[in-house]
Amino acid sequence: AIRMTQSPSSFSASTGDRVTITCRASQGISSYLAWYQQKPGKAPKLLIYAASTLQSGVPSRFSGSGSGTDFTLTISCLQSEDFATYYCQQYYSYPPTFGPGTKVDIK
Amino acid sequence: QVTLKESGPVLVKPTETLTLTCTVSGFSLSNARMGVSWIRQPPGKALEWLAHIFSNDEKSYSTSLKSRLTISKDTSKSQVVLTMTNMDPVDTATYYCARISFRGYDWFFDYWGQGTLVTVSS
Repeated sequence: AIRMTQSPSSFSASTGDRVTITCRASQGISSYLAWYQQKPGKAPKLLIYAASTLQSGVPSRFSGSGSGTDFTLTISCLQSEDFATYYCQQYYSYPPTFGPGTKVDIK
Repeated sequence: QVTLKESGPVLVKPTETLTLTCTVSGFSLSNARMGVSWIRQPPGKALEWLAHIFSNDEKSYSTSLKSRLTISKDTSKSQVVLTMTNMDPVDTATYYCARISFRGYDWFFDYWGQGTLVTVSS
């Protein structure tokens, strides 16, 4: 199975900050990568697929980039509702696998 | 409006079999461009994909759990059922069902149920 890693595992940020989360795959996955946001006690929410395509209804402050093994999720101007845990997930090959998550909390 | 809702026991004993049902609405399980997956999340831990089923009844399972899992669907009832045998305390987790959608070669989990916490304990 393809192993996904994320960095950092957690960090603190302030409203208005630009934040970047990194995801790395153990082998090349082209652009077959999705990002999800999860708030405590809630189900994950799809943000981005195909590494950089914004899901309908997701604010444009979210963006994704990368291909091959290295990917990033950027939030251009952090809002209060963005404090959450973010997961990357590859769907290049079975089984689909998730990263360990990156928790963004309030500084 | 697309919704998915998980149902099943909140507590199971070690060695018992878990049966979870995902009831969907707002889309059909016969839709060729969609499917349903089960995904779980132990408390405080990451997400783990378990299984999926598509409209043509194609199924896939987690490699590590394949011997314990069975996924099936009843299109007329809009339900997807997951059974997991020989439950162990390490299987304590929130179990989610999620819809799979396709865009060309891309696929992703675009709608999720609220999740159901299953605790394995004697």
